[in-house]
Amino acid sequence: EIVLTQSPGTLSLSPGERATLSCRASQSVSGSQLAWHQQKPGQAPRLLIYGASNRATGIPDRFSGSGSGTDFALTISRLEPEDFAVYYCQQYDRAPYSFGQGTKVEI
Amino acid sequence: QVQLVESGGGVVQPGGSLRLSCAASGFSFSGYGMHWVRQAPGMGLEWLTFLTQDGSYKEDADSVKGRFTVSRDNSKNTLYLQMTGLTVEDTAVYYCMTQVAVGYWGQGTLVTVSS
Repeated sequence: EIVLTQSPGTLSLSPGERATLSCRASQSVSGSQLAWHQQKPGQAPRLLIYGASNRATGIPDRFSGSGSGTDFALTISRLEPEDFAVYYCQQYDRAPYSFGQGTKVEI
Repeated sequence: QVQLVESGGGVVQPGGSLRLSCAASGFSFSGYGMHWVRQAPGMGLEWLTFLTQDGSYKEDADSVKGRFTVSRDNSKNTLYLQMTGLTVEDTAVYYCMTQVAVGYWGQGTLVTVSS
């Protein structure tokens, strides 16, 4: 089973700042089958990034994903007020298709 | 537009059963594998189960093996989750989701297990 560990647990930043979120896997994730989802309070999650670095449809280019193997990152180049949310990484290389515990980006 | 609409949630007693549905529209449902994911109150996301496009192969999390069964009816564009032996730990919002790289999510349905 692949365990995903996200850091930090909470990131306190201001609008306009850069955010870098980390996701570390306990085993190599082959084919970069790693996704990032965003969830705002009271809402369903939304896919941001798939294949480690591909933006989903309609996702602004201030969101970028990187990494391979066991180390992945989500970068938000300039935080907008609507970006304050919880972010989850998920591996879909092999079952169980685990999620990280989440990183909360707060003001 | 793409829609996934879950239904069937509600309050059930411990040991009870419930069947959730996820109705899909706006895309070719039969062309995609589907997942169920849940989120307990105040907690993170937990992956539960996956079913291939044609329903011939599935994967389950250990937490639901032998209790939850995923199925689909491509003629009705609907995914199901049959849940039995429910415990208070199964209280959560349940989401359906397409295969990850496509990434469509439903809005969720709340299941509360309580006596």
